Amino acid sequence: GESVGLHLPTLSVQEGDNSIINCAYSNSASDYFIWYKQESGKGPQFIIDIRSNMDKRQGQRVTVLLNKTVKHLSLQIAATQPGDSAVYFCAENIQGNNDMRFGAGTRLTVKP
Amino acid sequence: KAGVTQTPRYLIKTRGQQVTLSCSPISGHRSVSWYQQTPGQGLQFLFEYFSETQRNKGNFPGRFSGRQFSNSRSEMNVSTLELGDSALYLCASSLTPGSSGNTIYFGEGSWLTVV
Repeated sequence: GESVGLHLPTLSVQEGDNSIINCAYSNSASDYFIWYKQESGKGPQFIIDIRSNMDKRQGQRVTVLLNKTVKHLSLQIAATQPGDSAVYFCAENIQGNNDMRFGAGTRLTVKP
Repeated sequence: KAGVTQTPRYLIKTRGQQVTLSCSPISGHRSVSWYQQTPGQGLQFLFEYFSETQRNKGNFPGRFSGRQFSNSRSEMNVSTLELGDSALYLCASSLTPGSSGNTIYFGEGSWLTVV
């Protein structure tokens, strides 16, 4: 079936470097994409979202890029900090329902 | 304002028992959805409620059920518990169902262990 997946299960970066977490999706009907951060023992925390009529959206230190041609989503974190260490999930959603499909997640580790 | 609140945070049950988990959405949010998170299957959608009606249901057996009350609070129930039901159960709320800027916020989850 169609699903959302992640290219890399783990990512380790040096503090201060930029991080890029990638995600592939296969459901062409998906029109809304969200990135969540989940720290150990906590629920997913909303980071940033993007609709399919956009290809880039920026937040505080984070940027999401959407390439609909190749069905690819990425999350860029600038100047990565130790507090960014967590598992990051991308999720896809079809407008009109809350049935989000999540990727497997990427564990980001920031080394001091 | 307070976030999504789930109770209990941790619980241990025995196979064959049933369990009820509770969720209070963010004030003003009327849509509540439930997810199961396990190391093997990741985050999987259980069901979604809006205006006390189930709008959408994931691919889970009938042992998993839920409901929503008039104040938007929601409960989910799992009957005849199996070892494989051990998981983190997450509740999420949003103003209304669907996307288009309707941000979905998660609670901290209820950790269920079935022994």
